[in-house]
Amino acid sequence: ETGVTQTPRHLVMGMTNKKSLKCEQHLGHNAMYWYKQSAKKPLELMFVYSLEERVENNSVPSRFSPECPNSSHLFLHLHTLQPEDSALYLCASSLDTGEEQYFGPGTRLTVT
Amino acid sequence: GENVEQHPSTLSVQEGDSAVIKCTYSDSASNYFPWYKQELGKGPQLIIDIRSNVGEKKDQRIAVTLNKTAKHFSLHITETQPEDSAVYFCAASRVSKIIFGSGTRLSIRP
Repeated sequence: ETGVTQTPRHLVMGMTNKKSLKCEQHLGHNAMYWYKQSAKKPLELMFVYSLEERVENNSVPSRFSPECPNSSHLFLHLHTLQPEDSALYLCASSLDTGEEQYFGPGTRLTVT
Repeated sequence: GENVEQHPSTLSVQEGDSAVIKCTYSDSASNYFPWYKQELGKGPQLIIDIRSNVGEKKDQRIAVTLNKTAKHFSLHITETQPEDSAVYFCAASRVSKIIFGSGTRLSIRP
């Protein structure tokens, strides 16, 4: 257990669906991250939040919409996804940006 | 854009031997270099990290070396054990930016 939990662990959705991924950290950290991990590709940083403010948005399509209501919770809202969006989505947190990151177990997303 | 290259992509070593994984980075402003281990079905877990003001760091069987001039850093695992089998990722980071290498699948042969 790393202190970072993600739900759901598995998700199958159609291209017209809307769903949300949830991440919660119990570590008192100030920074939270969303990553995409596809087969045979490096971990791709999607979004970074520091003290509930978005500080990085790495050219992610608008069909992915993050939300950070407080420093313990992070959401990734999904709508009209494409099959190539199928991947493992990992959440992480750190005390501050540029510090050691603690990862959750990920959500395995399949878009049909 | 900035990138991190990691080699080799797969590595098989005899139990008890050493394993070395190498990374190079392009962003000269990077100042934090973590190494993560990812086991099947789990998220990455930090195993060791090094900052730009240090050339080498060791933690039991694991060591990391950094050459800032050449923009190289390496992970060394000695006396490998079966539980070391996993995928290892290097990363180069500054403030909120972090770029990961493509990973090395390490297998330990009994």
